[in-house]
Amino acid sequence: QKEVEQDPGPLSVPEGAIVSLNCTYSNSAFQYFMWYRQYSRKGPELLMYTYSSGNKEDGRFTAQVDKSSKYISLFIRDSQPSDSATYLCALGGNNDMRFGAGTRLTVKP
Amino acid sequence: DAGITQSPRHKVTETGTPVTLRCHQTENHRYMYWYRQDPGHGLRLIHYSYGVKDTDKGEVSDGYSVSRSKTEDFLLTLESATSSQTSVYFCAIRTSGPSYEQYFGPGTRLTVT
Repeated sequence: QKEVEQDPGPLSVPEGAIVSLNCTYSNSAFQYFMWYRQYSRKGPELLMYTYSSGNKEDGRFTAQVDKSSKYISLFIRDSQPSDSATYLCALGGNNDMRFGAGTRLTVKP
Repeated sequence: DAGITQSPRHKVTETGTPVTLRCHQTENHRYMYWYRQDPGHGLRLIHYSYGVKDTDKGEVSDGYSVSRSKTEDFLLTLESATSSQTSVYFCAIRTSGPSYEQYFGPGTRLTVT
């Protein structure tokens, strides 16, 4: 079993839809939770960062962490074609960091 | 933009040859990382550095070595390249403080034939 599981998709939604991206993890030592966005042939770009259970909102993006269930989510409201990218979850703790394999999202106009 | 550059951006090399990739940062960050990214595996840590001449192995370090003689430069060497090392290589830095936020460079696409 991988330490971090992420559905690779691909996920295709119409413009304006609410998108839900998820990761599960097995190691309770992870304390920091991040979401990265990666456009094709580019480096990952940090989108959201949190270190506690609950929700964190930034514009159209909401990161949700449930430590008891070892489950993290990223919600994108009013999705735009420019949101089309691969989204990676990342978890850190004890000087270690692990990434999910990424979910490829396409938002169709 | 975390001021990270990588060189070369693309390279094709033959099996058995040594290859060195360079990561350069302009903001004096202590921690630097090398990852490889492959389909289905996400990003996997190869080596990291926590200061000049201070390095440690990551998850997939076999066949790779690193050096950091200056704060701004972190070199990754494939001692004898193999086809399994065909990948996209990313360098990252970590900002100061207790957080784990990492910022990535643009990547190097390496093909070993």
